[in-house]
Amino acid sequence: GEDVEQSLFLSVREGDSSVINCTYTDSSSTYLYWYKQEPGAGLQLLTYIFSNMDMKQDQRLTVLLNKKDKHLSLRIADTQTGDSAIYFCAESGGGATNKLIFGTGTLLAVQP
Amino acid sequence: DADVTQTPRNRITKTGKRIMLECSQTKGHDRMYWYRQDPGLGLQLIYYSFDVKDINKGEISDGYSVSRQAQAKFSLSLESAIPNQTALYFCATSDARQAQETQYFGPGTRLLVL
Repeated sequence: GEDVEQSLFLSVREGDSSVINCTYTDSSSTYLYWYKQEPGAGLQLLTYIFSNMDMKQDQRLTVLLNKKDKHLSLRIADTQTGDSAIYFCAESGGGATNKLIFGTGTLLAVQP
Repeated sequence: DADVTQTPRNRITKTGKRIMLECSQTKGHDRMYWYRQDPGLGLQLIYYSFDVKDINKGEISDGYSVSRQAQAKFSLSLESAIPNQTALYFCATSDARQAQETQYFGPGTRLLVL
């Protein structure tokens, strides 16, 4: 079945780059998403990438997609303490059903 | 004002009680979803609705029911709450007209079943 996997934790120092990784199993995924959840808050869409793209950059965020290996990554440049949150990877098959399959989330801890 | 709102934000109840969680949206989206989040786990889909007359079961619908009262409102009911339904519940909406059909989430309802 469909599955999305992420490591549970990542710890970085302020100013360093963070790279959060995700692997998925559904090769028919049309879009892949990164959501951010801050403590006590709902999920906020950070960015998404269409499956025929290899890379998408948006200010400090860079998304890389390796469709052959079914691997997605989110790079945050110049990580700040305000980036501390849980980051969820999600895949969507699109089409008639827009079910999102979420990973377990990666807790990013930014040390000052 | 928030586009997707959920009430209540927090609720403590006892085993066997009936509970309703409500979700409203002002985004004009046709599609709405209910998820639950358990500590250390991702989100699991409970039910989803593509329009007012369309209701579909998700991965973990047992013990839950839903009602789509209007395009803007989607409520989730626990007919007889049990402790393992203690979780964080999220409502989400999406617009089928968007190619990437991003889902927008409410702030969540924290439910504790004693």
